Amino acid sequence: EIVMTQSPVTLSVSPGERATLSCRASQSVGSNLAWYQQKPGQPPRLVMYGASTRATGFPARFGGSGYGTEFTLTISNLQSEDFAVYYCQQYSNRPPWTFGPGTKVEIK
Amino acid sequence: QVQLVQSEAEVKKPGASVKVSCTASDNSFSSYGVTWVRQAPGQGLEWLGWISAFINKTHYAPRVQGRVTLTTDTSTRTAYMELRSLRSDDTAVYYCARDYVTGAGGYWGQGTLVTVSS
Repeated sequence: EIVMTQSPVTLSVSPGERATLSCRASQSVGSNLAWYQQKPGQPPRLVMYGASTRATGFPARFGGSGYGTEFTLTISNLQSEDFAVYYCQQYSNRPPWTFGPGTKVEIK
Repeated sequence: QVQLVQSEAEVKKPGASVKVSCTASDNSFSSYGVTWVRQAPGQGLEWLGWISAFINKTHYAPRVQGRVTLTTDTSTRTAYMELRSLRSDDTAVYYCARDYVTGAGGYWGQGTLVTVSS
């Protein structure tokens, strides 16, 4: 099973600043990496798939990068609606698929 | 876009089984896979498994394999997750999600709280 780790656990950022979230896989997953945003009491929402393709509804200030074992989600010019928990998930060609433990982006 | 509606909350005793349903507003499940995820109170997301009626394939997480069964009834546009031999640490909100691309859930149900308590 591929183990996903995320850092930092919590990221304190001021509105208008940039947040950089990291995700690491214990084995290569190629570009089969998704990011999700979750707010309290709501289901997760797909932000990014294929490591760098934005899902419907997310603006260009959300950017994804990486390949293999190291991935980054960057959120520029943070808006109030961006404060949430973000999870990465690998869906490589070798199930089972797994989630990272999450990064909470909070208001500084 | 497709909407997924899950069954209502359940309270079960240890050792019992639960079956959660997830009904789509269209025929998506005939062409796309469905992932099941759970989230224990205050915890992160745990991937449980994936099913595709289209290619007749299922994958399960090792932690629940042997206790969980995923099925799909395309005639009723409904996916099911059955979990047996319930334990207190199975208490969680269970979500279904339809693939956006294979393996990445783009459309999510509202969640079903399953409480396991004696």
